[in-house]
Amino acid sequence: NAGVTQTPKFQVLKTGQSMTLQCAQDMNHEYMSWYRQDPGMGLRLIHYSVGAGITDQGEVPNGYNVSRSTTEDFPLRLLSAAPSQTSVYFCASSYSYDHNEQFFGPGTRLTVL
Amino acid sequence: AQTVTQSQPEMSVQEAETVTLSCTYDTSESDYYLFWYKQPPSRQMILVIRQEAYKQQNATENRFSVNFQKAAKSFSLKISDSQLGDAAMYFCAYRSASNTGKLIFGQGTTLQVKP
Repeated sequence: NAGVTQTPKFQVLKTGQSMTLQCAQDMNHEYMSWYRQDPGMGLRLIHYSVGAGITDQGEVPNGYNVSRSTTEDFPLRLLSAAPSQTSVYFCASSYSYDHNEQFFGPGTRLTVL
Repeated sequence: AQTVTQSQPEMSVQEAETVTLSCTYDTSESDYYLFWYKQPPSRQMILVIRQEAYKQQNATENRFSVNFQKAAKSFSLKISDSQLGDAAMYFCAYRSASNTGKLIFGQGTTLQVKP
């Protein structure tokens, strides 16, 4: 089991560029989520998915798109990067039933110049 | 909307001593889960301990225990016999029982362990 994997680990973008952060899990988890971590603010939910074909917005969705075509993958797209999107991004996954924890990927550090 | 507050940005403890990290939350739900996550410098999020709101008994995991006060909406983490490897950022998190995909985090507390 590789668990939750994220690529790339680091990325530098220029303002206005687009890119996709990749996330994959091999645990057959129904739920997948994207968070961003900023200093002094903890982790904030961007988007989440309760299963293939179903996504919903979290607390800070603006500027980000997601889709879930398979159970395993949940990519996060930045359509036009802005300096305010400089952050560390975490992907997480979990089973749907009550007592389960979320498993986190190693994170992607993104810098937008 | 639910909120989670950690009012201690930084804490320090002497090796082998005990330290308590504070967390308060606000919710109108009756069924939920609370978590403490540890984030060492490697950035990896590691689950430390979990508490189900319907359980009155406080959760314990080896040197880690919680003081869960449901009426006061308080969820503190006690680390006993602190070790150098406990130095990390600690996050308190809330999750509704109905959605495992949505965690709400506090701001985090950086714990320093002094030898």
